[in-house]
Amino acid sequence: AQSVTQPDIHITVSEGASLELRCNYSYGATPYLFWYVQSPGQGLQLLLKYFSGDTLVQGIKGFEAEFKRSQSSFNLRKPSVHWSDAAEYFCAVGGRNNDMRFGAGTRLTVKP
Amino acid sequence: GAVVSQHPSRVICKSGTSVKIECRSLDFQATTMFWYRQFPKQSLMLMATSNEGSKATYEQGVEKDKFLINHASLTLSTLTVTSAHPEDSSFYICSAVSGGAWNEQFFGPGTRLTVL
Repeated sequence: AQSVTQPDIHITVSEGASLELRCNYSYGATPYLFWYVQSPGQGLQLLLKYFSGDTLVQGIKGFEAEFKRSQSSFNLRKPSVHWSDAAEYFCAVGGRNNDMRFGAGTRLTVKP
Repeated sequence: GAVVSQHPSRVICKSGTSVKIECRSLDFQATTMFWYRQFPKQSLMLMATSNEGSKATYEQGVEKDKFLINHASLTLSTLTVTSAHPEDSSFYICSAVSGGAWNEQFFGPGTRLTVL
């Protein structure tokens, strides 16, 4: 079964600074990879996904992620963070049966 | 498109009662729906996979007699928490996919269950 590791539980960055959230996955085949954002008490919003093709994926809100098979990683990046980006971020990997496994999440705090 | 709704968004019940949560795909037919549970400040844990017209498949450690799942139509799945206890208090999120090949899951907004 697939699994996901998000090594950073909590990250704090200053507004305007760049951001990288780490995600490592474990899966025997080509993975389907996702990044979601969740605001407190809310559902999940899809930021971006990778199914195949170009390994650099562009998403909404200025986010991008790069699939690196050799490192089993799918890190999320944003060049300049806004205060509204403060939220919980989840990386997820999809398996063959449409099932999905989520990482533990990384909480992002943005300092003014 | 691809909107999934959940009802209710928030429910408080007494210990020992049963609570039903509905998950609806509003603008597409969902062949498969998933139910997740999320404890405060934790990740989403898959509880069960529900296919229309068949029995749900539960993840290891999830009591199927306690968490009854019904997927009676292509747009509706329900999760019933039977004889709820305070430890069942959690955020329950459903998702839906359409089609046979791997498709993106569309998530509902979640239901906050508090058992007193």
